[in-house]
Amino acid sequence: DIQMTQSPSSLSASVGDRVTITCRASQSIITYLNWYQQKPGKAPKALIFGASSLQSGVPSRFSGSGSGTDFTLTISSLLPEDFATYYCQQTYSTPLTFGGGTKVEIK
Amino acid sequence: QVQLVQSGSELKKPGASVKISCKASGYTLTNYALNWVRQAPGQGLEWMGWINTNTGNPTYAQGFTGRFVFSLDTSVSTAYLHITSLKAEDTAVYYCVRDRYSSSPYSGDYWGQGTLLTVSS
Repeated sequence: DIQMTQSPSSLSASVGDRVTITCRASQSIITYLNWYQQKPGKAPKALIFGASSLQSGVPSRFSGSGSGTDFTLTISSLLPEDFATYYCQQTYSTPLTFGGGTKVEIK
Repeated sequence: QVQLVQSGSELKKPGASVKISCKASGYTLTNYALNWVRQAPGQGLEWMGWINTNTGNPTYAQGFTGRFVFSLDTSVSTAYLHITSLKAEDTAVYYCVRDRYSSSPYSGDYWGQGTLLTVSS
């Protein structure tokens, strides 16, 4: 199975900050990488697919990049509604696997 | 608009069975694959497998074979997750997730609201 490792596991940031979350795959997954946002008590929401394509309706302050084994999710200017947990997921091969999550908290 | 509406919370005893439903609206169920994802209390996301909604063929991740069954009733645009011989460790929120593609899992774009299953004596 492909292991997905996210870092950091948590971070504290302020409104307006630029935030970068990293996801590393245990082998190349080309660009078969998705990002999801989950708020407490809610279902996850799709943000990015194919490593860098924005899901419809997702604000442009979210962006994704990377290929092979290393990927990043960047929030260019953090808004209050962005405080949440973010997960990456590889869909290169089954079983699809998620990273452990990165919790973005208010500083 | 696309919606996946899941059945409500369940409280079951060990050894019992449960069937969770996921009703699709705003699109044709058979045009997109459907994934199932589990989230244990306070934990991360775990992919359980997916079902090809065209053929009805399910694929299960390791750890979700035997007691877990994905099925469809296309006449009512509904997918089901049936879990038998329930154990305490099955306690979790279960999500159905529409995929962008029909023939293989690629990217979940719409998620159901989740169904909390609690297994306790």
